[in-house]
Amino acid sequence: AQSVTQPDIHITVSEGASLELRCNYSYGATPYLFWYVQSPGQGLQLLLKYFSGDTLVQGIKGFEAEFKRSQSSFNLRKPSVHWSDAAEYFCAVVRPNTGNQFYFGTGTSLTVIP
Amino acid sequence: DAGVTQSPTHLIKTRGQQVTLRCSPKSGHDTVSWYQQALGQGPQFIFQYYEEEERQRGNFPDRFSGHQFPNYSSELNVNALLLGDSALYLCASSSGTADGYTFGSGTRLTVV
Repeated sequence: AQSVTQPDIHITVSEGASLELRCNYSYGATPYLFWYVQSPGQGLQLLLKYFSGDTLVQGIKGFEAEFKRSQSSFNLRKPSVHWSDAAEYFCAVVRPNTGNQFYFGTGTSLTVIP
Repeated sequence: DAGVTQSPTHLIKTRGQQVTLRCSPKSGHDTVSWYQQALGQGPQFIFQYYEEEERQRGNFPDRFSGHQFPNYSSELNVNALLLGDSALYLCASSSGTADGYTFGSGTRLTVV
C-alpha cells in the first residue's frame, strides 16, 4: 500500500522568508504527485502537480515543487512567503491507471508571522 | 463555470440518525469521488462513482453508501451515525483522469 508522509506537522515562518514543505511517498513506481492548499473551513485548492517530464514543477501563487525519484520526495517551495499563504498544505499521490484514488498526507499547517 | 457544488455546507445530526450529502460535479465531469477529512487529518477516500456505479471503495464500513444519478450528480449516505463520523466530507469530480480533479468546499458534519 502506498503512503504519504509529511514530517512537519506545523511550520512557522516570517513573512518574506523562504519556505520548504517536505513530502515523501512510498510506492514501487512513480506515482502522480500533487500539492493542495486548504484554508480554514474551505475545500482543497490545487497548487501544482507532477505526472512526468521535467522534475521541477511550477504552480500557482509562486509555488514550485521538485520531484526527486532517488529520495521518493516531492517537496514544495516558495522563495518569499506572504501572510496570505498561511493555511494547511497537503501532499497527495495517485497510482497511475488505478482509478484515480488520491492518498493524502496528514498535512502541514503553515503560520506566517509579520 | 461552476465548479463542484456540495450541499448542505453544515449539518448537525444525532448519533444513530442517517444523513445524505449531495454533490454536483463540475461541468463536463462524469466521475465523482467522496472523501472524509477528520479534524487534523488528510482526506481519506470513501468511494468513487462512474456511470452510476461504484467503481472503487476505500476502507469504510457498509454504513457508508452512495449513488450517482444520470446527470452525474451524487449522494453520500451514512446510516447509524457515530460520533466518529464527525468530519468534513469532500466531493471531487473529474473526467476520468487524475488531471483536472476538482474538489468542492465540503460539507461539515457534526454528530452529537
